[in-house]
Order: sequence, then C-alpha cells, then structure tokens
Amino acid sequence: DTEVTQTPKHLVMGMTNKKSLKCEQHMGHRAMYWYKQKAKKPPELMFVYSYEKLSINESVPSRFSPECPNSSLLNLHLHALQPEDSALYLCASSAQGAETEAFFGQGTRLTVV
Amino acid sequence: GENVEQHPSTLSVQEGDSAVIKCTYSDSASNYFPWYKQELGKRPQLIIDIRSNVGEKKDQRIAVTLNKTAKHFSLHITETQPEDSAVYFCAAKRTGGFKTIFGAGTRLFVKA
Repeated sequence: DTEVTQTPKHLVMGMTNKKSLKCEQHMGHRAMYWYKQKAKKPPELMFVYSYEKLSINESVPSRFSPECPNSSLLNLHLHALQPEDSALYLCASSAQGAETEAFFGQGTRLTVV
Repeated sequence: GENVEQHPSTLSVQEGDSAVIKCTYSDSASNYFPWYKQELGKRPQLIIDIRSNVGEKKDQRIAVTLNKTAKHFSLHITETQPEDSAVYFCAAKRTGGFKTIFGAGTRLFVKA
C-alpha cells in the first residue's frame, strides 16, 4: 500500500468554524508532513512530525494546530481561519532517514468564506 | 537561505519533441534531488530522483542530470506526449533533513 489518504477532499468553512483535516498512511513511514499549496505555486511546508513528535513548525499561525495521534495518523485542526487560508492542503509521509521521497495524499481543497 | 531556482516557468513543445527543465540550488549540503509531476487538481507525484553520488539517471523517456560542482540539475523528457502536460517541480533535500526545498515549478504544455 503506497497510499496516503486524506479526508475530506473538499471543505468549505466559515471564519468562526472549527474543522479538522485527516491524513492516514500504512506504509510504516515515521515522518509525516502538512503542506499548503496555493494555485500555481509549489507546496509550502507547514509542519513535520518525526516519530509522532513535532519536529518542524514553519512559523505557522496558531489557528492551525497539528496533531499526530499515532504513527499512521496526522490531523490538522482549523479554527478562526481567514479567507487567505483557502488553499489545497497536502499531507505527505516519508521513511525516516536521508534521501527518501515523500508520498503525497490527494489533498483537501479548503475554502474559507 | 536555502533556495531552488527553476527555469523556464512555462514551456510549450510539439508532441514528439524533447523538453528540458533546469534547476539551480544554493545549499551545498543538498544531496537528494527529486522531481515531482503535478497534473491539474491532483497530488504531486515523484517521477524520478537522483542522489549526489550519481551524475545521471534515466527511466524510459525521462532522464535527470546533476552537476554538483555547479549546483545544477536538469530534467529531460524525450518524445513528449500530450499526457506529459503538467506542472513539474524540482526539489532539493539534505541528508538527515526533513525539509524539501521546491522550485517554483514549470508548466509544460505538449501540443498534439
């Protein structure tokens, strides 16, 4: 199984809502990532978890809150988002260690209204 | 800081022609260079990668070359087909690091 599965595929939320994005992989990868991608731009790293511990936070606003409940799951909790947060949110995973490719999920298309 | 520059931003070729995309990286410690293809509305997918101890790698119609001294690497697609139309991202990563530094992307159009 070389799949990274994200739910939901699409999400529309108001600025006062609280929602969560979910990501799951069963490849035994110990590094998991959240990326944000705006149209016509490359993916932009937000968070990295290594062995279920937060390793990198790229100065992401606190309205985005990541969580790694176990080695297969990664969540991104959203609260009080702004319209400019509308984007494609991609989860990825990779094997621990050097020189390893990242496998991306199909993404959640988020629209904040 | 770490940076990957990618050129051109848009490339239009006739079906059957070759396409070349070039990237330059700034971090000397980078030693892994993946290339991702992203079709419209879909996820980025790895199409080929190269490690710093290798100068060239080929997989059917796709090849990548790396010049570590000049910090350049390139993607070559031969006999292009309409289904090659997509955005291509080059990237660089260092040993033991989690951060993948992406280029800005090249939008490739293959005209039938």
